[in-house]
Amino acid sequence: QVQLVQSGAEVKKPGASVTVSCKASGYTFTGHYVYWVRQAPGQGLEWMGWINANSGVTELAQKFQGRVTMTRDTSISTAYMELSGLTYDDTAVYYCARDRRDGDLDYWGQGTLVTVSS
Amino acid sequence: DIQLTQSPSFLSAYVGDRVTITCRASQGIHSYLAWYQQRPGKAPKLLIFAVSTLQSGVPSRFSGSGSGTEFTLTISSLQPEDFATYYCQQFSIYPLTFGGGTKVEIK
Repeated sequence: QVQLVQSGAEVKKPGASVTVSCKASGYTFTGHYVYWVRQAPGQGLEWMGWINANSGVTELAQKFQGRVTMTRDTSISTAYMELSGLTYDDTAVYYCARDRRDGDLDYWGQGTLVTVSS
Repeated sequence: DIQLTQSPSFLSAYVGDRVTITCRASQGIHSYLAWYQQRPGKAPKLLIFAVSTLQSGVPSRFSGSGSGTEFTLTISSLQPEDFATYYCQQFSIYPLTFGGGTKVEIK
C-alpha cells in the first residue's frame, strides 16, 4: 500500500533552517511528483511547491522562493524540503503528498510539526 | 492568485441530513478542482478530483458537481464519521490554492 512517512517534530530557533523528509513506499517513487503543503495552527492549507521525483525539477510558490529547497534521493525513495530563515510564522505542520496526476493529492504523509521558538 | 471562497465556513447538521458545501473561484478553473476531508489531528484525505470523480474507497454519499467558477460538495446522508473540515483545491493555475475550509459539526 502507498505510504508516505515523514520525519519527526522539530523545534527550531528563529533564523535557523529545518529539513523535513518524506519516505515513500508502495509505488514507483519516480512516477509521481511530491508536493509540500503546510498548515499553521488552526489555519487552512497552503501549497509550498512540488518536486518531480524523476527529474528533480521543482516548482515553488513565489512566497517561498529563495527560502525553500526541495530535493529527492531516488535510491531511498525519499523527498526532502528544507526551509531556511525560519520565523515564528513558519510554525506549522508540514505535509508531503503524492500527486495523483495533475495537482490533486491522493496520498499524504502524517505531517511534521515544526515549531519556531526562541 | 485564484481565490477559492467556501461557504459556509461552519455548519451543524443532524446525522442523516443532506449537506452541501460551495466553493467559488475568483476565475474559471475548468475541471481542476478537488475536495479533501481533514479530521482533527490528521492529514487531509482526497475525496473527489476533477470536480466529480470519487476517489477510490470514498463512500458514495459524497458527490461533487459544478463548472467554471462554482462548485459543490454534497454529502447525501451525513454520518458521525463525517465530522471534519472540508477543503476545496484548484490546480488549474499556479499557485495552487485551497479554500478556507468548511467545518462540519454533527448535532
